[in-house]
Amino acid sequence: GAGVSQTPSNKVTEKGKYVELRCDPISGHTALYWYRQSLGQGPEFLIYFQGTGAADDSGLPNDRFFAVRPEGSVSTLKIQRTERGDSAVYLCASSPAGDGTEAFFGQGTRLTVV
Amino acid sequence: QQQVKQSPQSLIVQKGGIPIINCAYENTAFDYFPWYQQFPGKGPALLIAIRPDVSEKKEGRFTISFNKSAKQFSLHIMDSQPGDSATYFCAAWGSGAGSYQLTFGKGTKLSVIP
Repeated sequence: GAGVSQTPSNKVTEKGKYVELRCDPISGHTALYWYRQSLGQGPEFLIYFQGTGAADDSGLPNDRFFAVRPEGSVSTLKIQRTERGDSAVYLCASSPAGDGTEAFFGQGTRLTVV
Repeated sequence: QQQVKQSPQSLIVQKGGIPIINCAYENTAFDYFPWYQQFPGKGPALLIAIRPDVSEKKEGRFTISFNKSAKQFSLHIMDSQPGDSATYFCAAWGSGAGSYQLTFGKGTKLSVIP
């Protein structure tokens, strides 16, 4: 596709459930990022992939959050035992530059934990 | 610790006016400063970016002014239009900052009234 694609657009889940959020980056972009945006705030970094490996996961809030990118393209953000405080928009971005520059964002997945 | 401070939180201008949004950073390892535009329900879109080796960069109606000694940078929108109404985020990234993350400001909600 032409841009970063995220699915689903919206996800409502019950507290305690497990969720997976998917990101399809721009073709050929080796760098992939996950950010989380709460209402009225700027995006906050979660994790960065260069190829298949997580080069920086310092933004993951706790061990309930995990992300994979097994083939160096599509990535999945996984959240276990969801809590109401996990409700936010989860943004994925990709970059051709292999670093933090020129990051192109998807439309996000709005996660609501009830 | 908020490493990028953005102001104002909201801004209302008349069509044709020149809104100015300001950001200040603390980490001198930052060396890439992008601005993102975000419409409701959409992901942030890269608007314009600057490196510290120049003091100003223009792209169309958008200009970044950069003051390295003051650790400040600003976005100016010339001849603003109602279609420019959106939330604008400044961000910073540094190859020497020890991380691959973009650090965002909290955003400025701009309203351009006809």
